[in-house]
Amino acid sequence: GNSVTQMEGPVTLSEEAFLTINCTYTATGYPSLFWYVQYPGEGLQLLLKATKADDKGSNKGFEATYRKETTSFHLEKGSVQVSDSAVYFCARHSSYKLIFGSGTRLLVRP
Amino acid sequence: EAGVAQSPRYKIIEKRQSVAFWCNPISGHATLYWYQQILGQGPKLLIQFQNNGVVDDSQLPKDRFSAERLKGVDSTLKIQPAKLEDSAVYLCASSLVGGQSNTEAFFGQGTRLTVV
Repeated sequence: GNSVTQMEGPVTLSEEAFLTINCTYTATGYPSLFWYVQYPGEGLQLLLKATKADDKGSNKGFEATYRKETTSFHLEKGSVQVSDSAVYFCARHSSYKLIFGSGTRLLVRP
Repeated sequence: EAGVAQSPRYKIIEKRQSVAFWCNPISGHATLYWYQQILGQGPKLLIQFQNNGVVDDSQLPKDRFSAERLKGVDSTLKIQPAKLEDSAVYLCASSLVGGQSNTEAFFGQGTRLTVV
């Protein structure tokens, strides 16, 4: 079926550490892929997106590359900040549906 | 640009009572989504409208949940009667055209429902 699988959290890092949050998907065809972020007390907001294979989405120092061969869209950041503490959701859009993974909580300590 | 507005922000009801949530999407957005987000889980799509027509309601528990989008703008989601397992955050989102897969969805703050 069509689904999105994310690594379980919480992920706890020290400031300036390297971040990777894994995301894989299953879908018929070639979906668009998204990372959404939910900061404490706020609503979901789009972080970045990629619409076709080998596209790289980037925003606020975060990056993710659409890998068709591994059906993955892993989120990376070279140096995290305390302000990056939030819940991150991977999502795919195909067949008129926007489907989310279960979310990964990131906690960055000073 | 005004965002997606939802009300109320919080609601506490007893099981078997009824409750309704309201959503006003971003002006001009044809597609409106209602999601249920249970604590610790990702948002689950309940129903998707394109203008005032239903595109997908396959995961809506139709014996107790109903939704409408009159005139293709505002939408209401109702639960009647509520169960304990309905405790969740109900998110409304809208996008320009849902059929285009690269279209960003904009989310409201959500309504946190607690059923006791």
